[in-house]
Amino acid sequence: EVQLVESGGGLVQPGRSLRVSCAASGFSFENYPMHWVRQVPGKGLEWVSGISWNSGFKAYADSVKGRFTISRDNAMSSLYLEMNSLRAEDTALYYCVKEEKAAFDSWGQGTLVTVSS
Amino acid sequence: QSVLTQAPSASGTPGQRVTISCSGSSSNIEYHTVNWYQQLPGSAPKLLIFSTFQRPSGVPDRFSGSKSGTSASLAISGLQSEDEADYYCTSWDGSLNGWVFGGGTKLTVL
Repeated sequence: EVQLVESGGGLVQPGRSLRVSCAASGFSFENYPMHWVRQVPGKGLEWVSGISWNSGFKAYADSVKGRFTISRDNAMSSLYLEMNSLRAEDTALYYCVKEEKAAFDSWGQGTLVTVSS
Repeated sequence: QSVLTQAPSASGTPGQRVTISCSGSSSNIEYHTVNWYQQLPGSAPKLLIFSTFQRPSGVPDRFSGSKSGTSASLAISGLQSEDEADYYCTSWDGSLNGWVFGGGTKLTVL
């Protein structure tokens, strides 16, 4: 069974940094692209960033480009999102998502990031 | 504003057929496949339709997807109370070089 468990969320001040992580299990992590998708509570979904299986390709939403960095450690079956220069509008639940056949087929339960002074 | 446009709400009675639409452009829906997600209250999204028409194993055939030009649709037949959820469309956008979502449609079963 695919399991994606996010961690690292919390309360952070505007302008500061935070790294969220995702521990994957139940599948061959090294073979699949992975993504971060976020959701402001009560609002819609927003794709944040994606990374290819070998980290050779990374993509970012315009809203986070230059501030966020996605990475992965295939040996540890882990996905990361380093978030710098955080803003109030980055407050959201951050989901770790597995991609297969060009679709987001498995989702974690999310980790909540709150940016506030 | 979302790149893909969905009506914010839809409704139907049990047993009815409802359709949820998703409008995009030549940068996304017209030349890329569409996926649909169902999000039940308090839960993470779940893949409902991939590659525009395909259903993952375990998704009832009451759910179907289609596309025409720059628009896509999700149809739900034999509506059930447990179908009450938020539904999102998504597609790759070749101009933005990223995935784009619709704003979501809240389906109410009356």
